[in-house]
Amino acid sequence: AQTVTQSQPEMSVQEAETVTLSCTYDTSESDYYLFWYKQPPSRQMILVIRQEAYKQQNATENRFSVNFQKAAKSFSLKISDSQLGDAAMYFCAYRRNNYGQNFVFGPGTRLSVLP
Amino acid sequence: SQTIHQWPATLVQPVGSPLSLECTVEGTSNPNLYWYRQAAGRGLQLLFYSVGIGQISSEVPQNLSASRPQDRQFILSSKKLLLSDSGFYLCAWLQGEGNTGELFFGEGSRLTVL
Repeated sequence: AQTVTQSQPEMSVQEAETVTLSCTYDTSESDYYLFWYKQPPSRQMILVIRQEAYKQQNATENRFSVNFQKAAKSFSLKISDSQLGDAAMYFCAYRRNNYGQNFVFGPGTRLSVLP
Repeated sequence: SQTIHQWPATLVQPVGSPLSLECTVEGTSNPNLYWYRQAAGRGLQLLFYSVGIGQISSEVPQNLSASRPQDRQFILSSKKLLLSDSGFYLCAWLQGEGNTGELFFGEGSRLTVL
């Protein structure tokens, strides 16, 4: 079964600095999707960024980028120029190709942004 | 645009009482719908998913059940709540196969069983 691990229960970053959140996963599949979701204190979960496993290029969305290492099964999220609004729980998630019904989520990392 | 709504947002129920959480989706048709439970430090646990009206798949044996009476309505129920049912419940939708494959979540429902 696929598993997703986030080894950092809590992280903090100074405003305007850069922080990297770690995620590793275990799968025997070659075709899959990886996601980072953000859950701010208001509680609605939103998608931050996604990566298709067949793409070698790392995904980027404004200040958010990933470091996808397929061989190492690693999918870290880098937040540049951190803002107070980035404070949230961040969940890494895996989905087996486009026909998989289940997303497997990691336990989450709580990010605090210090002014 | 597509939206997803859950209610109630907060619920406090005694042990042994029934439960009904409702989720509706607007702006899309034939969505795949999901119920997740979020526990502290344990990520999201998939409870049920549905690919169409009346079609429910259960991922975890428990005293909860789900129903999909209409295309864009997904209901989570229990006949008798347990203390262990307390948690944060999230409804999500995924537009059918061949799409971007992203989950879109509702605002969540906080259930406290006393």
